[in-house]
Amino acid sequence: AQSVTQLGSHVSVSEGALVLLRCNYSSSVPPYLFWYVQYPNQGLQLLLKYTSAATLVKGINGFEAEFKKSETSFHLTKPSAHMSDAAEYFCAVTDSGGYNKLIFGAGTRLAVHP
Amino acid sequence: EAGVAQSPRYKIIEKRQSVAFWCNPISGHATLYWYQQILGQGPKLLIQFQNNGVVDDSQLPKDRFSAERLKGVDSTLKIQPAKLEDSAVYLCASSLLVGTGELFFGEGSRLTVL
Repeated sequence: AQSVTQLGSHVSVSEGALVLLRCNYSSSVPPYLFWYVQYPNQGLQLLLKYTSAATLVKGINGFEAEFKKSETSFHLTKPSAHMSDAAEYFCAVTDSGGYNKLIFGAGTRLAVHP
Repeated sequence: EAGVAQSPRYKIIEKRQSVAFWCNPISGHATLYWYQQILGQGPKLLIQFQNNGVVDDSQLPKDRFSAERLKGVDSTLKIQPAKLEDSAVYLCASSLLVGTGELFFGEGSRLTVL
């Protein structure tokens, strides 16, 4: 079964600084990979998705992620953090079963301070 | 377009009591999911419906949890009897196409078991 590891349960950055949230997956077959964001007291929403079309994927709100097969990684970045980016971010991978269910990582809480 | 609706938003019960959560997916979405999100963890899939049939309930504790999706639209998740470890947020999600990983989540139902 697929699994996802997110390094760092909490990340804190200054406003305007680079955001880097790390995600590694376990698979010998390139899966579909996702980043979801959860703002306080809200449901999860899709940030971006990798489906093998391009290794650099651009998402909403200026976020992007790069798929690196050799490192089995799918790290999320944003050049300049904004206060509104404070949220919890989840990396996810589709399982290889018949219905490709989504397997989530434990999440990384991003804090942005002035 | 209306999003995924869930109720109640919050519920507090004593252990061994029962509780039910309701979900109304986005209109036209054939696939419906219930996820359990324990504090500090990523969402874990409990059950997945395709129309009104179950396609994955491998992680549903069937001795106490049950779910149904009548007429392929609304769904209800029930816990009876509840245990302390069932304290979590129960997220409902729906998707237009199965296997794409593009899920739309509701705001969740937060359960506290005392």
